[in-house]
Amino acid sequence: EIVMTQTPLSLPVTPGQPASISCKSSQSLLHSDGKTYLFWYLQKPGQSPKPLIHEVSNRFSGVADRFSGSGSGTDFTLKISRMEAEDVGVYYCMQSVELPQTFGQGTKVEIK
Amino acid sequence: QVQLQESGPGLVKPSQTLSLTCTVSGGSMDSGDYYWTWIRQPAGKGLEWIGRIYNSGDAKYNPSLKSRVAISVDTSKNRFSLNLTSLTAADTAVYYCARGYCTSDSCYDMDLWGKGTTVTVSS
Repeated sequence: EIVMTQTPLSLPVTPGQPASISCKSSQSLLHSDGKTYLFWYLQKPGQSPKPLIHEVSNRFSGVADRFSGSGSGTDFTLKISRMEAEDVGVYYCMQSVELPQTFGQGTKVEIK
Repeated sequence: QVQLQESGPGLVKPSQTLSLTCTVSGGSMDSGDYYWTWIRQPAGKGLEWIGRIYNSGDAKYNPSLKSRVAISVDTSKNRFSLNLTSLTAADTAVYYCARGYCTSDSCYDMDLWGKGTTVTVSS
């Protein structure tokens, strides 16, 4: 199965400052259909995960534009342009190019 | 708006079978080319994909659970279900259901999640 590795695992961020999370996959997430199946989710404390980004760089409906995704192949990044208090939680990357779908270990983002 | 709600027993004995249901409200399951997913999360740990099923009934499972898991769908009742057999303490987790769909342009995997239901395996 494809292993997803996130760094860092913990990230304290000062409000108003940017934040960046890396996600690396053990195999390319580029499908033969030309799409790259890399997703990002945010799990706020005590809640179920919520979708942020689909196919590397596309925000799900209703997601703030301070969230952006980039990358290709096996290396991906989620960026928060300006950290807000409501962005606290655990961020997960997930691949669905190959079954079983697999998640990264999660990156806990907190206010510094 | 469309919502998902998991239901089932909170406590199950080892070696027994877990049966969970995810009920879809606020919209019809077969109003689009959706697929329905189960995910679980042990306390304080990460997310594990269990499997998914399309409205057609075609199901895919995580090989780590494949011999013990079955997912079914009943679009007429707007719900889908998870059966997990031969339970052990390692199956103790919060179980989530989620929706996904693809269009000709994009895929929206797990775009909607239930709130989760806690399952404890203990005698």
